[in-house]
Amino acid sequence: ETGVTQTPRHLVMGMTNKKSLKCEQHLGHNAMYWYKQSAKKPLELMFVYNFKEQTENNSVPSRFSPECPNSSHLFLHLHTLQPEDSALYLCASSPQPDRGESNYGYTFGSGTRLTVV
Amino acid sequence: DAKTTQPPSMDCAEGRAANLPCNHSTISGNEYVYWYRQIHSQGPQYIIHGLKNNETNEMASLIITEDRKSSTLILPHATLRDTAVYYCIVRGNNDYKLSFGAGTTVTVRA
Repeated sequence: ETGVTQTPRHLVMGMTNKKSLKCEQHLGHNAMYWYKQSAKKPLELMFVYNFKEQTENNSVPSRFSPECPNSSHLFLHLHTLQPEDSALYLCASSPQPDRGESNYGYTFGSGTRLTVV
Repeated sequence: DAKTTQPPSMDCAEGRAANLPCNHSTISGNEYVYWYRQIHSQGPQYIIHGLKNNETNEMASLIITEDRKSSTLILPHATLRDTAVYYCIVRGNNDYKLSFGAGTTVTVRA
């Protein structure tokens, strides 16, 4: 257990379904992230939240909709996905860099393995 | 824009030291070198990081050259459970983003 919990661990959904991925951390971190990892590809940063505010959206299609209600929780709402969206979705958190800490190490969750059929 | 260059793969014998190289010739003064690893289908795991001094923790040692243009991660006694993809990442002091490249796939063999 890393301190970042993702649910569900596995999800199979149809292209017309709506589902949500959940991420929770109680490490006192203020930044949270969604990454996508497709088969045999490097991790791709999708969204960044800093103090609940979205600070980065890396040209992610609108069928992915993030939500960060507080610094401890992050959601990724999914709707009308395509089979090519099948991937491992990883959540991570990190401390707030402006505090001058030298270790901005990320803590990752175990991921949600998503299959779109 | 890749900031680091790593070999795509390497093999290592169980019980021996594994030395993983990383080139970061364009590193700037306030950028740290981080190492993460990802065991199959899990989230990446932090290993170690450093600025200019060599660092050691319970998992590994990090050797950074004096000019900071390259570094080596050393796993002192590799085990089969160290088989993973190892990522070398350069990140600035106030940059909260972590960008992953392809990493080095390390296979530890019995």
